[in-house]
This record gives sequence, structure tokens and C-alpha cells, in this order.
Amino acid sequence: EVQLLESGGGLVQPGGSLRLSCAASGFTFSSFARSWVRQAPGKGLEWVSAIVGGGERTFYADSVKGRFTISRDDSKNMLYLQMNSLRAEDTALYYCARVSSSGWFFDSWGQGTLVTVSS
Amino acid sequence: ETVMTQSPATLSVSPGERATLSCRASQSVSSKLAWYQQKPGQAPRLLIYGASTRAIGIPARFSGSGSGTDFTLTISSLQSEDFAVYYCQHFNNWPLTFGQGTKVEIK
Repeated sequence: EVQLLESGGGLVQPGGSLRLSCAASGFTFSSFARSWVRQAPGKGLEWVSAIVGGGERTFYADSVKGRFTISRDDSKNMLYLQMNSLRAEDTALYYCARVSSSGWFFDSWGQGTLVTVSS
Repeated sequence: ETVMTQSPATLSVSPGERATLSCRASQSVSSKLAWYQQKPGQAPRLLIYGASTRAIGIPARFSGSGSGTDFTLTISSLQSEDFAVYYCQHFNNWPLTFGQGTKVEIK
């Protein structure tokens, strides 16, 4: 069974930094692209970032480009999101998702970790 | 950026009835369209990909259709567990974008 477990969320001041982690199990981690998707309180889903298997290519939404960095450690089955220069509008539940082998959509999701940016 | 627009925002349906949800793309996304279901307090769940292919374990009452810019998710006979928010997402190019969601509520 595919399992994704996010951690690292919390309360941070505007301008601060946070690093999210996602531990994966139940599948061959290195074979799949991975992604982060967020959901602001009471709002819809917003794709944030993605990384291909092997990590040589990364993609970002314009809203986070230059501030967030996605990375992965296949030896540890881990996905990361380094978030810098955080803003109030980054407040959201951040989901880790597995990208399907059939296209850039998400066939498995974690339960999310909450990031709150507030002074 | 390809903007995805879902309609209606809220759909009130009685159990056993048919529900039809729409998703429109601002430019062609071919058949690179997925649908998700999200219940309160839960992560989204993949329902449909490639516009019409059901994901593993998804009941046959869920069906998807369309290509290009206009897509439809149909739930043939609503069950109590189907009342939720549904999102479409294109995966034709970057950035990936979601629709704003359609809430299916009990009438």
C-alpha cells in the first residue's frame, strides 16, 4: 500500500523559512515523479511544485518560483520542500503527492501538513 | 497558464439521482484531464484520468468524458458517500492547474 506522510509544518513569521518533508513507502520511490499541492483554508487546490524521478528536472508555480525549492533523496524515500521568504498567502495545508506513471496527475496523496504564516 | 473553470459551484442532488459536473479549459488540453474527489478533512482522491479512464477501485457509476476544452464528470446514481467537492486538473503543460471545485450537496 502506498503511504505518504508529511511533516515539518508549523507557525512561522512572514519572511521566515520552513522545510517540509514527505516520507514514502509501499512503492519504488525512485521510479515516480513527486509533487507538492497546497490548499489554503476553505479554498481549492493549488499545484506548487514537482520533481521528476532522479531529481534532474523541477517545476514550480509562478507564485512560489524563486522562493521554494523541491528536492528528493531516493536513498531515504524522502521528498522535501524548502520554503523561504514566506508570505501570509502561503498559509495552507501542504500535500505531498505521487505523480502517476501515466501523466502529470496525482494518484496518491498524503494527509497534509499545515503551514501558517503569521506574525 | 491554462485556466480551468468548473460549473456549477454547488450542485444540489437527491440520493439516487444523476449528477453532471462541468470543467472548461481556457485552451485545449487534449485529453490530459483528471478528476478528484475530496471529502471534508480528507486528502483528495483520484477518480478519473485521461478524461475518461477510471482510477483503480473507482466505482462504475463515475464516468468522465470530453476532450479539448470541455469535460464532464457524471455520477450516474448518487450514493451518500459521493457528497463531496470535485476538482478537475489539467496536465497538458506547465503550470498544472486545478479548477475551483464543484460541491455536490444533498438536496
